[in-house]
Amino acid sequence: DQQVKQNSPSLSVQEGRISILNCDYTNSMFDYFLWYKKYPAEGPTFLISISSIKDKNEDGRFTVFLNKSAKHLSLHIVPSQPGDSAVYFCATFLQGNTPLVFGKGTRLSVIA
Amino acid sequence: EPEVTQTPSHQVTQMGQEVILRCVPISNHLYFYWYRQILGQKVEFLVSFYNNEISEKSEIFDDQFSVERPDGSNFTLKIRSTKLEDSAMYFCASRILLAKNIQYFGAGTRLSVL
Repeated sequence: DQQVKQNSPSLSVQEGRISILNCDYTNSMFDYFLWYKKYPAEGPTFLISISSIKDKNEDGRFTVFLNKSAKHLSLHIVPSQPGDSAVYFCATFLQGNTPLVFGKGTRLSVIA
Repeated sequence: EPEVTQTPSHQVTQMGQEVILRCVPISNHLYFYWYRQILGQKVEFLVSFYNNEISEKSEIFDDQFSVERPDGSNFTLKIRSTKLEDSAMYFCASRILLAKNIQYFGAGTRLSVL
């Protein structure tokens, strides 16, 4: 039952370059998407979100793109910094107060 | 900055024992959640809690699990008789009432059942 898929378990990027993390979902009823970042021994930390009425949301170095027809979203980090090294989770929910549904995460390593 | 606090950070217990995991949500938040992450797997929803009652629960949250808000600050998850497969990271989360469903997570409790 993989409603949210992050098909790349890991990604390695050079410092200063762009990191692109991908996420696919199966249910077209999902209408809001979130990215969380997780460092070891810490809980997931909210990073950025996007509503299904938009196709792009930008916050500093972080931009999330949503392609509803493809049921695909991506998180772009530019420029990447060593402190961005973490596990990134894509998450979504159906509506209202329903629980978050998470992908398995992508481990990003930014190499100096 | 306000944060969700979880204790203990690591709990070791024998199979069949009861454990209580504790959480202090952010003070003005009204929705509370428990999630768990078994090693190598995705974060999974267990239960949500609002207005002093369970609002939703997953298939994982069976009769062995219970939640309680015993006072104005704590939110607890009790596992009555732990099994080996309950070993996981347990995360508490909370969110404010009117904001979009952005949940704020604690650092988690690692539960090891031996």
